[in-house]
Amino acid sequence: DQQVKQNSPSLSVQEGRISILNCDYTNSMFDYFLWYKKYPAEGPTFLISISSIKDKNEDGRFTVFLNKSAKHLSLHIVPSQPGDSAVYFCAASSPSDFNKFYFGSGTKLNVKP
Amino acid sequence: DTEVTQTPKHLVMGMTNKKSLKCEQHMGHRAMYWYKQKAKKPPELMFVYSYEKLSINESVPSRFSPECPNSSLLNLHLHALQPEDSALYLCASSQGPSGSGSYNEQFFGPGTRLTVL
Repeated sequence: DQQVKQNSPSLSVQEGRISILNCDYTNSMFDYFLWYKKYPAEGPTFLISISSIKDKNEDGRFTVFLNKSAKHLSLHIVPSQPGDSAVYFCAASSPSDFNKFYFGSGTKLNVKP
Repeated sequence: DTEVTQTPKHLVMGMTNKKSLKCEQHMGHRAMYWYKQKAKKPPELMFVYSYEKLSINESVPSRFSPECPNSSLLNLHLHALQPEDSALYLCASSQGPSGSGSYNEQFFGPGTRLTVL
């Protein structure tokens, strides 16, 4: 049973617009969340993280929002660029085992020029 | 050096073969991981080494045997695999647990695409 879910397998966005990728989790013990980006034939690359003591973390064009009551997080990319086209994975971890990340199944983002 | 390297990039093996996957990092990380990823699925954790000791084994079949010869190297020895073991095998590393148990992001290698015939 997947504890981290990304219900949209794909998303298509026009260049310059906002991309919003969503992620839901079921384990209320999760308190650290990450987003990874993966290009074909490469390993996942760390993008941004957020701890449960925050509800927002921003890094340049990337912002992650956390809604603990809804057990939901989202990644906003503004403005989207064609180079952002990749598969995005969210991941979560809990204090009982901070070496263990639970990954979602990924959302393939396509940014059209 | 902020890279995790994996060799080989591709591997085709028969069910009776013995082969090894290799992973290397020179970032001084003390935790290293093996993941298995099937197409359109999330990475699944297999093993975690922390300070060169096996700390997590996610009930992986014994035909997969990990080894951590030193803090920079991680191997995955393969023997008598099944066709369903065909997948992308990802290695990752992180700074490792601190006394406070703080989280650290994991850095991934490019993976080894394994095909078992």
